[in-house]
Amino acid sequence: EAGVAQSPRYKIIEKRQSVAFWCNPISGHATLYWYQQILGQGPKLLIQFQNNGVVDDSQLPKDRFSAERLKGVDSTLKIQPAKLEDSAVYLCASSSEGGLAGGNEQFFGPGTRLTVL
Amino acid sequence: AQSVAQPEDQVNVAEGNPLTVKCTYSVSGNPYLFWYVQYPNRGLQFLLKYITGDNLVKGSYGFEAEFNKSQTSFHLKKPSALVSDSALYFCAVRQPSSGGYQKVTFGIGTKLQVIP
Repeated sequence: EAGVAQSPRYKIIEKRQSVAFWCNPISGHATLYWYQQILGQGPKLLIQFQNNGVVDDSQLPKDRFSAERLKGVDSTLKIQPAKLEDSAVYLCASSSEGGLAGGNEQFFGPGTRLTVL
Repeated sequence: AQSVAQPEDQVNVAEGNPLTVKCTYSVSGNPYLFWYVQYPNRGLQFLLKYITGDNLVKGSYGFEAEFNKSQTSFHLKKPSALVSDSALYFCAVRQPSSGGYQKVTFGIGTKLQVIP
């Protein structure tokens, strides 16, 4: 089966500019996650969707970050305006949350490496 | 609040020797535990998980992990390390819920270096 697709793979912008990332999850996966991975740290959840509804965005800096998952399939994550500290790898993941209620593993895309100058 | 600790930033092991990457966790109730591996410039890949049942779980590439409830640990092991095992390893925990909405918390990662 096809994996999680993300684009672009790399992006360099200047601070105060805006940027958008796209993710297409594995077909049929109801749950989609966006993570921020800063160098030397583990992935930090930004937002979790169940179908097209948000179930956790407690760590999303809502003054500058936004995300949507229209039609419950692919998703976009936007940063506007970007700050230097947003430099990180943004990972998208999906999982099929079936009967194990959270016990299913996540499948990750290759990530987008963002550099803010 | 749930948390994961990976006490070693880096683990060095000689090729052919057994390896252990440590993980301890804190969560209310019985946890779901995961190990993921990250190769350079790539996303995370699932290795194995503990949900319930046998405390020793086997996963991809010959890796296994042992769930120890009394020590709240879930150490990753492999009997014989390969140079190709060199990568960044992440332990993750999730508190189960009926709605499946609990977020996964990742550790900071342990770099495994297998020396030829």
